[in-house]
Amino acid sequence: DADVTQTPRNRITKTGKRIMLECSQTKGHDRMYWYRQDPGLGLRLIYYSFDVKDINKGEISDGYSVSRQAQAKFSLSLESAIPNQTALYFCATASPAYNEQFFGPGTRLTVL
Amino acid sequence: AQSVTQPDIHITVSEGASLELRCNYSYGATPYLFWYVQSPGQGLQLLLKYFSGDTLVQGIKGFEAEFKRSQSSFNLRKPSVHWSDAAEYFCAVARTGGSYIPTFGRGTSLIVHP
Repeated sequence: DADVTQTPRNRITKTGKRIMLECSQTKGHDRMYWYRQDPGLGLRLIYYSFDVKDINKGEISDGYSVSRQAQAKFSLSLESAIPNQTALYFCATASPAYNEQFFGPGTRLTVL
Repeated sequence: AQSVTQPDIHITVSEGASLELRCNYSYGATPYLFWYVQSPGQGLQLLLKYFSGDTLVQGIKGFEAEFKRSQSSFNLRKPSVHWSDAAEYFCAVARTGGSYIPTFGRGTSLIVHP
C-alpha cells in the first residue's frame, strides 16, 4: 500500500464550486505539505503543517484553506474554485530527520 | 530566502549518452540540496541529497550529483542514459536548521531518443 495517498486522483469541477482534496499518510510523520504544480513553474508551496495544531501559509495560499484533522490527514480546500486553480496538486510528508519528503501520486484538478 | 534555478527547461539526449542537468541555488550558507524525479503520471521520488561531507553524492538509478560551493551549483549527472530515464527532474534547496521547507526549481524535462 502507498504511504501517502491522495483522493480523488482526478476531478473536474465548475467555477464557484467548493472542492476538497484529501491526503492521508501511514508514515507517522508530523510534517505535511500541499503543493501545486503548473507546467514550467515547478512546485509551489500552498500550506504546510508541522503538527496537528500548527498550520502555516506558503507562498501561494490565497484562495485555499487547509485542515489537519489528525496527524495522518491533511486536507486542502478551494472555497470557490476558479479556472486558474486548474493544476496538479501534491501532498507530501517529511521524514523525522527532515532530510527527505515523500510525495503522494497527485490530484489533477480541472476547473471549468 | 533560498531560491533554485534550473536553466534548462528541456534536455534531449540519445540513449547511452551521458547526461548533466544543471542546478544553481541561492542561499547564504551551505544548504540542504536535493534532486527529485517525476515520471509521467507519478509523484516525485528522491534521487539523492546533500547535507554535508563528501561533495560527490551517489543516488539511486545510477545518478550522482556534485556540490560546488564556489559555483553555488548542484548538477546531476549520469554516465549512460536509459530510455526509462525520460522524466521531469527537480532540484530543491532547504535551509539548514530551522524549518524544513524546501524550495523547488522549475524542473527540467529529459527527453531520451533511441
